[in-house]
Amino acid sequence: GAGVSQTPSNKVTEKGKYVELRCDPISGHTALYWYRQSLGQGPEFLIYFQGTGAADDSGLPNDRFFAVRPEGSVSTLKIQRTERGDSAVYLCASSSVVGAVAGTQYFGPGTRLTVL
Amino acid sequence: AQSVTQLGSHVSVSEGALVLLRCNYSSSVPPYLFWYVQYPNQGLQLLLKYTSAATLVKGINGFEAEFKKSETSFHLTKPSAHMSDAAEYFCAVRGGNRDDKIIFGKGTRLHILP
Repeated sequence: GAGVSQTPSNKVTEKGKYVELRCDPISGHTALYWYRQSLGQGPEFLIYFQGTGAADDSGLPNDRFFAVRPEGSVSTLKIQRTERGDSAVYLCASSSVVGAVAGTQYFGPGTRLTVL
Repeated sequence: AQSVTQLGSHVSVSEGALVLLRCNYSSSVPPYLFWYVQYPNQGLQLLLKYTSAATLVKGINGFEAEFKKSETSFHLTKPSAHMSDAAEYFCAVRGGNRDDKIIFGKGTRLHILP
């Protein structure tokens, strides 16, 4: 596609529920990143995929958070037993590792998650 | 380890005046530096990036930034502010590997006064 897309754009859920957030990267980009942006803060790194494998998951806050990228394209961020503190905008980015723009991360519009 | 400090969470300038947004970085390796802009209810958009090719980097919308190693700074400037420049600006740093994660500053909200 033309850019990184994320669905849904907004998600409201209740405390304790399970949610899935989807990211569709730019076609051909092998690297995919998830960030979380809380109100008034800059984005914070969660996890990074190179192809199908998670190359760095050091930013995941706890074991309630999990992400997959089974075919090396679309990625899903999964949050179990949601808590009010999980409320934030979840951003996805992708990048290419070759070419003139290698290493430049392009961001999607984000999913705003609200946990009531 | 890498980090970024943005000085001033809010900056106000008059339309037509100089825009200066300050950013200082810390990095144990030669850094790659970025400025991103976020308009209300929109995603992050890359303004410009420093990748060691030239210390003065020109970006989109008339913005530029200068890498100063001695001052560990990467300040963003624009000679003449426009109303459409009102947004949140993020300075960010990345390590030497192309697929390293990006570390963002807390952001500076730019207000343009008519």
